[in-house]
Amino acid sequence: AQKVTQAQTEISVVEKEDVTLDCVYETRDTTYYLFWYKQPPSGELVFLIRRNSFDEQNEISGRYSWNFQKSTSSFNFTITASQVVDSAVYFCALGTGYALNFGKGTSLLVTP
Amino acid sequence: DAEITQSPRHKITETGRQVTLACHQTWNHNNMFWYRQDLGHGLRLIHYSYGVQDTNKGEVSDGYSVSRSNTEDLPLTLESAASSQTSVYFCASVGPAQETQYFGPGTRLLVL
Repeated sequence: AQKVTQAQTEISVVEKEDVTLDCVYETRDTTYYLFWYKQPPSGELVFLIRRNSFDEQNEISGRYSWNFQKSTSSFNFTITASQVVDSAVYFCALGTGYALNFGKGTSLLVTP
Repeated sequence: DAEITQSPRHKITETGRQVTLACHQTWNHNNMFWYRQDLGHGLRLIHYSYGVQDTNKGEVSDGYSVSRSNTEDLPLTLESAASSQTSVYFCASVGPAQETQYFGPGTRLLVL
């Protein structure tokens, strides 16, 4: 069975703090894809990153970085120097076929 | 530009009525999905299709049906709307290489 756990339901930080969103996944498949999506207050789902199971390289995109560790089945997301515009719900998702299994999301609030 | 659209964006209906939510994509993707989003549950898969005339049940398919008569459209029908189906519904599509899954803007459905 596929499962994604985002243990942090809500996180609140002050602007400019770094914050890490945790994602732990379960799957028996050897080929799979991991995703992060952002859902701002406006409600749309914004794609952030896709990583396949054979690529454990960490990735950095501006203030965003992702740490993929197969040994711990984790795909954590770090925002450096957070900004108010980062306030949103963030979803981690696992895909072994084409459909996705989503975690329950982490609500991030960044206050000035 | 290619896109994925949903209509209506908001819908209020009464218990027992049949409701159809439309999803249209111009990516020419064979793979299309319907998810529902509820507080505390993240996004859950309702139905999906891998091509014309193909439909499959997801995790929470009871009370819903889909049909696929062409590549562009995957309408979702609630046969007899129930209050438990009050939710935000997202349609998505993805190409054959399991690249980014594109989501529509969502439909907010309220069943009274």
